[in-house]
Amino acid sequence: GAVVSQHPSRVICKSGTSVKIECRSLDFQATTMFWYRQFPKKSLMLMATSNEGSKATYEQGVEKDKFLINHASLTLSTLTVTSAHPEDSSFYICSARRQGQGEAFFGQGTRLTVV
Amino acid sequence: AQSVTQPDIHITVSEGASLELRCNYSYGATPYLFWYVQSPGQGLQLLLKYFSGDTLVQGIKGFEAEFKRSQSSFNLRKPSVHWSDAAEYFCAVGALFGNEKLTFGTGTRLTIIP
Repeated sequence: GAVVSQHPSRVICKSGTSVKIECRSLDFQATTMFWYRQFPKKSLMLMATSNEGSKATYEQGVEKDKFLINHASLTLSTLTVTSAHPEDSSFYICSARRQGQGEAFFGQGTRLTVV
Repeated sequence: AQSVTQPDIHITVSEGASLELRCNYSYGATPYLFWYVQSPGQGLQLLLKYFSGDTLVQGIKGFEAEFKRSQSSFNLRKPSVHWSDAAEYFCAVGALFGNEKLTFGTGTRLTIIP
């Protein structure tokens, strides 16, 4: 149990376009989902925390209009990178926490390349 | 504020040798501690975790870690490394409730030499 699926695993897009990344909890309900960004050879930096049915909470320095997060159901959260630029190229990873409490489980990540 | 320090950016170990990766944390309450491994281009795989109880925890792939509250440490160990253990290792601290987040260390890259 506790499987988190991220899609797509890899995406290449043109500069100026938007890209949507999905994070699904396959066998549990996730009231809280976390979105991380990882630069090459760097650690994971938390971008935002989303709760089902409410607005996401963004970490300091993360542009909320640039990185749109939607957590419309207990099993799905999406991250949309709007008007992508090459500097948005990165590895994005989500994690999901079961309803109430418990450790968060990670998706397999999405490699975004903006050309 | 919570923080994690992994003092070693890169470690090289011979195959078959023992391994210890260091992790020190700062956390205001009872810490929940994790070790993850990441292969190039891949997501995170949980190796082991400490929530409470026995301070020596066993994980997958023959790894273990010891929680030492007095030293604020949670070092990862393996008695004999295999070439397949070459990867990036991340220590993390956090809580388990609501919006409480995980904070990651900067990672230790492990290279295995024949």
